Amino acid sequence: NAGVTQTPKFQVLKTGQSMTLQCAQDMNHNSMYWYRQDPGMGLRLIYYSASEGTTDKGEVPNGYNVSRLNKREFSLRLESAAPSQTSVYFCASKMDRGNSPLHFGNGTRLTVT
Amino acid sequence: GDSVTQMEGPVTLSEEAFLTINCTYTATGYPSLFWYVQYPGEGLQLLLKATKADDKGSNKGFEATYRKETTSFHLEKGSVQVSDSAVYFCALSKTDSNYQLIWGAGTKLIIKP
Repeated sequence: NAGVTQTPKFQVLKTGQSMTLQCAQDMNHNSMYWYRQDPGMGLRLIYYSASEGTTDKGEVPNGYNVSRLNKREFSLRLESAAPSQTSVYFCASKMDRGNSPLHFGNGTRLTVT
Repeated sequence: GDSVTQMEGPVTLSEEAFLTINCTYTATGYPSLFWYVQYPGEGLQLLLKATKADDKGSNKGFEATYRKETTSFHLEKGSVQVSDSAVYFCALSKTDSNYQLIWGAGTKLIIKP
């Protein structure tokens, strides 16, 4: 019963490098989300996908792109990493757009030097 | 705009002590309110929720009551255990914002044996 799986768990990048964070869920959820978590700031929404085939910007989308590859997978890409993108990134999913609970992956800790 | 304010941590208690973590919100209309918990090294998971005024959410011995008159949703537990050590996040969502969650900054709880 995997739930939401994120890869990698840890990553160190140099400024200007690119990478893609992968996320997959096996709960047949329609909606998927990418958050970043920074100390003292709670979670901030980067991008979300309300349903397969759609993506929308969240609160802090600059410097990121996303792809909803299919119903299961939602990836986050950093085209040119910056030190300000050092954070813990969480993928989450839920059944639909309403008040159903969010299910989170275990996070990716990214450091940009 | 809408916001959630939580008491700053860390909160340090002895085992079997009574716990209160304060959460207040600012929002127009009638938001739904949530508590999520993040155990070390893991993603967040829903602890409890309340969708209308005077509702009480409860789970695993934790309770919170939706108080519209004081715009609060304080988390309580009568007797905490070492295993309750975690970061607790209060959040709200509204129908007119596509149920996007607005998060508090989180409160770290440390329980000493």
